[in-house]
Amino acid sequence: NAGVTQTPKFRILKIGQSMTLQCTQDMNHNYMYWYRQDPGMGLKLIYYSVGAGITDKGEVPNGYNVSRSTTEDFPLRLELAAPSQTSVYFCASTRTGVYEQFFGPGTRLTVL
Amino acid sequence: AQKVTQAQTEISVVEKEDVTLDCVYETRDTTYYLFWYKQPPSGELVFLIRRNSFDEQNEISGRYSWNFQKSTSSFNFTITASQVVDSAVYFCALSGSARQLTFGSGTQLTVLP
Repeated sequence: NAGVTQTPKFRILKIGQSMTLQCTQDMNHNYMYWYRQDPGMGLKLIYYSVGAGITDKGEVPNGYNVSRSTTEDFPLRLELAAPSQTSVYFCASTRTGVYEQFFGPGTRLTVL
Repeated sequence: AQKVTQAQTEISVVEKEDVTLDCVYETRDTTYYLFWYKQPPSGELVFLIRRNSFDEQNEISGRYSWNFQKSTSSFNFTITASQVVDSAVYFCALSGSARQLTFGSGTQLTVLP
């Protein structure tokens, strides 16, 4: 069981570039989440999904898009990267009946 | 709307001292869940404990203990006989009916040898 995996671990983007952060879980969890953590702050929810084909916005969705075509994968798309998107991005998952979320190792993104 | 407040931004203690991390929350949900996560310097998030809103029993796990008080909307975390390896950022979080986690801003704990 690899748990929640995220790629890449680090990435530097130029302003205006686009990229996709990958997240995969092998625990057959139906709930998946994307958070961002800015320096010295707690995590803020970007998007979440309650199952394949279903996604919804969290607290800070602007500038991001997601899709959930399979139970395992929940990629986060950044379009037209901006310096304000410099952050550490965490993916998490859980399943019905379990309330704690299990987190991936994070992706550190810098936009210059 | 949900809110979690961790008023202590940074705490420093000397090894073997006891330390309590405070957490105060706000929610309109009648059923909710409270959590503590640890983020060591390596950056990953480690789940420590979950407490349900209908279970106010305090819990002890080794050197860790948690005090949940609905009357004051608090869920405090105590580390007894702290160790250098306890140095980390600790986050309190809340999940309500929408199953979305709301995090506090975290408390940086430094345990000095």
